[in-house]
Formats: sequence, structure tokens, C-alpha cells
Amino acid sequence: GENVEQHPSTLSVQEGDSAVIKCTYSDSASNYFPWYKQELGKGPQLIIDIRSNVGEKKDQRIAVTLNKTAKHFSLHITETQPEDSAVYFCAATRGAGGTSYGKLTFGQGTILTVHP
Amino acid sequence: NAGVTQTPKFRILKIGQSMTLQCTQDMNHNYMYWYRQDPGMGLKLIYYSVGAGITDKGEVPNGYNVSRSTTEDFPLRLELAAPSQTSVYFCASSTARTGELFFGEGSRLTVL
Repeated sequence: GENVEQHPSTLSVQEGDSAVIKCTYSDSASNYFPWYKQELGKGPQLIIDIRSNVGEKKDQRIAVTLNKTAKHFSLHITETQPEDSAVYFCAATRGAGGTSYGKLTFGQGTILTVHP
Repeated sequence: NAGVTQTPKFRILKIGQSMTLQCTQDMNHNYMYWYRQDPGMGLKLIYYSVGAGITDKGEVPNGYNVSRSTTEDFPLRLELAAPSQTSVYFCASSTARTGELFFGEGSRLTVL
């Protein structure tokens, strides 16, 4: 089955700095890679996703890059703010429609702390 | 707009007891999922459902059962609680159109 490794496990930055979280996956057939943000006491919430036919996707201060050859993908947050402090999870799956997009293999999570 | 609602939020069980975690969604989503989250381990899929009457196993189904009698409800049952089932449980739902999972706020279960 799929295995997703996520690094670092904790990341501390100053407000305004950039933050980068990296994930590697093992199944070359995986084609859907979402990122979820989990605030304290809440369920995870999708912040951005990328499919394997795209190398990069951006949404305001958040971007995700995908390298299919190396089987890794990364989350980039620019101009970090204290409200970006949360746990971030990467995930991967062989998405082919239907429930396959929800049958995710998650990374271990990164605790991001943004200091004012 | 409630989204995905889970009850209870917290529960302590003794070894060997049984209980049901409730999950309901009001978004008319066909697909529903149960994940468990252990510290430092990410989330792991327990069971999922593609619609009323249809369920299937995920990565870690042992010790759990599910049913899906309606589109809205997807309860998770623990028959003989074991300490290894101490975890935070998340229910989620999605549609066929996008990959986005909508999660509930979680149910923290401790088995002593």
C-alpha cells in the first residue's frame, strides 16, 4: 500500500517568514495530493490540493509543488501569520473518482508555530 | 449550516465495554468515512461508505463495525473496547465531484 512520509514534525517561524513542509510517497500510481490544516480541537480542513497532471498550484499565500519523478510534494506558505499556526497534514491516494479521493493515506503531520 | 456532526465529543470506556460513535451530515453527501488519529501518526481510514446500505473496510477495520441505513448517518461501533482503540475518531463526508473531505470535530475515546 501507499506510504507517506512528512517532514519536519515541528516547524517554528517568525511572522512574515516563509514555511515549507515536504512529503514523499511510495506508490507511483498515486495521483491526488491534498493538504489539510487542523486547528486545535477541530477536524482537518482542506486548504489546497494538486493532481498529478499539474506541477504547481497556488492560492494566495499558499502553494503546492509536485515532483512525480522523485515522488515528493511540498506545501509553501509565504508571509506567514499567527493564524497559520496549526497542524498540517499531507495525503496521497490513487484518485479515480468516487470514494477513491477520500481513501487517503496521511503523513504524520507538521506542527507549525508562527511567532508574532 | 451544521456540516458533519459527531457525538459524543469525549468518552471513557472500560476494557470490554461497547459503544457507538454517532455521525450525521446534512450536506446530502453520498460518501462517508471514519478515520482515527493517533498522536504523531496522522489519520488512518477505518471504514467508508458509498451510500445507504453499502460499506467497506479501510486500512484498520479490526475491532470496529459500521452501518449506513440512511444517507445522513454513519455510526461506528466498538464491540469489545481495548486500550489500543484509545484515539481521536473523525467522521468525514464528500461528494463524487471533488476530492474534498468535510470532517466533524472529532470524538476523543479513552479505553482504560
